[in-house]
Amino acid sequence: AQSVSQHNHHVILSEAASLELGCNYSYGGTVNLFWYVQYPGQHLQLLLKYFSGDPLVKGIKGFEAEFIKSKFSFNLRKPSVQWSDTAEYFCAVSRYNQGGKLIFGQGTELSVKP
Amino acid sequence: EAGVTQFPSHSVIEKGQTVTLRCDPISGHDNLYWYRRVMGKEIKFLLHFVKESKQDESGMPNNRFLAERTGGTYSTLKVQPAELEDSGVYFCASSQGAGRSLSSYNEQFFGPGTRLTVL
Repeated sequence: AQSVSQHNHHVILSEAASLELGCNYSYGGTVNLFWYVQYPGQHLQLLLKYFSGDPLVKGIKGFEAEFIKSKFSFNLRKPSVQWSDTAEYFCAVSRYNQGGKLIFGQGTELSVKP
Repeated sequence: EAGVTQFPSHSVIEKGQTVTLRCDPISGHDNLYWYRRVMGKEIKFLLHFVKESKQDESGMPNNRFLAERTGGTYSTLKVQPAELEDSGVYFCASSQGAGRSLSSYNEQFFGPGTRLTVL
């Protein structure tokens, strides 16, 4: 069974549309949560992360994510997407005291039409 | 500051051959991770070095894969002999800090990946 699940494989939006990408995980205990992005031809880079504290996390480029512990979810949002947001987005989890290894979801390809 | 680099960027080999992938982490990063993405699947953890020591190799598929990090700097991942199912993109990542708990809190910086095709 998938331990980190991203709800959508491919999302197509028009510019200025709002974005929400779903991510659920199946681990109990303390987890750290991440969203990574891979723009075409570029490295994976960190968008945002949650370790503790305020469950609403703000990242780079206007992205934010909300950790809802009761739902084991960490959904990514952006109020208004741009063509330059076209990329593949990965949700990832690391479990406390396991050396930081990341467990990834299967990725969501976002295509933004100009 | 130079990022994580990987060599080669692409490798095409025949089944049964040997391939060695190299990763140079960011200078000073004690943690080095290898991940793999097989086409159409999620990125999967392979192993984790802390300096020159293997901290966790639970994700290594089988004994055809051998990873080393001599001197705690760059790392190599050798596949010998390669099989068709080894095709995919191999990512390396590095992060600061050491220890099983502290490592969890440090951002991992990824390299560009090596695309391996086994024919």
